[in-house]
Amino acid sequence: GAGVSQTPSNKVTEKGKYVELRCDPISGHTALYWYRQSLGQGPEFLIYFQGTGAADDSGLPNDRFFAVRPEGSVSTLKIQRTERGDSAVYLCASRDGNTGELFFGEGSRLTVL
Amino acid sequence: KNQVEQSPQSLIILEGKNCTLQCNYTVSPFSNLRWYKQDTGRGPVSLTIMTFSENTKSNGRYTATLDADTKQSSLHITASQLSDSASYICVVRSNFGNEKLTFGTGTRLTIIP
Repeated sequence: GAGVSQTPSNKVTEKGKYVELRCDPISGHTALYWYRQSLGQGPEFLIYFQGTGAADDSGLPNDRFFAVRPEGSVSTLKIQRTERGDSAVYLCASRDGNTGELFFGEGSRLTVL
Repeated sequence: KNQVEQSPQSLIILEGKNCTLQCNYTVSPFSNLRWYKQDTGRGPVSLTIMTFSENTKSNGRYTATLDADTKQSSLHITASQLSDSASYICVVRSNFGNEKLTFGTGTRLTIIP
């Protein structure tokens, strides 16, 4: 497709489990962002990739969170030992290098029971 | 600390009426400001992007203004439609360092028939 694709759209897991959330950005976009959005709040920055490298990971809340983008395209956000407070919508966005515009995916809704 | 504040938090208006949403920011140095529309359960979609030199920009029934001196922006919606019901998020990008954007918490707009 032409847009940013995120999978799964919904994920329900139990406390303590490991989850992976995938983002497939728009082809050719080198910049990729992960955000977390809680109900009624604006998106909260987690990590930004430029190509394969994490240019800024200062938004990751703790070392249970990790993200990779090994080939500079698809990115995976990994959450270890999930906690109930991790429940949120995880948004991915990629940026058009010419216009600077961000394009968001539909998000992955994570629910930790 | 970079901050973006939006007002009102929520707004209910009758279909066909106009409304104006406000955004104040303290992000410095300023690069650009964007307004996004986020439907419930969907990812944000860009409405406008404004740079330092732009005062007004229109996109159909949406008109955004920017006053870089007072660090304020507004989004005016004309002749509202039911489909305008959504959250409207103001996002400001800084010129400094990394690509981290500062998001407002959004205004929740509800259009009633």
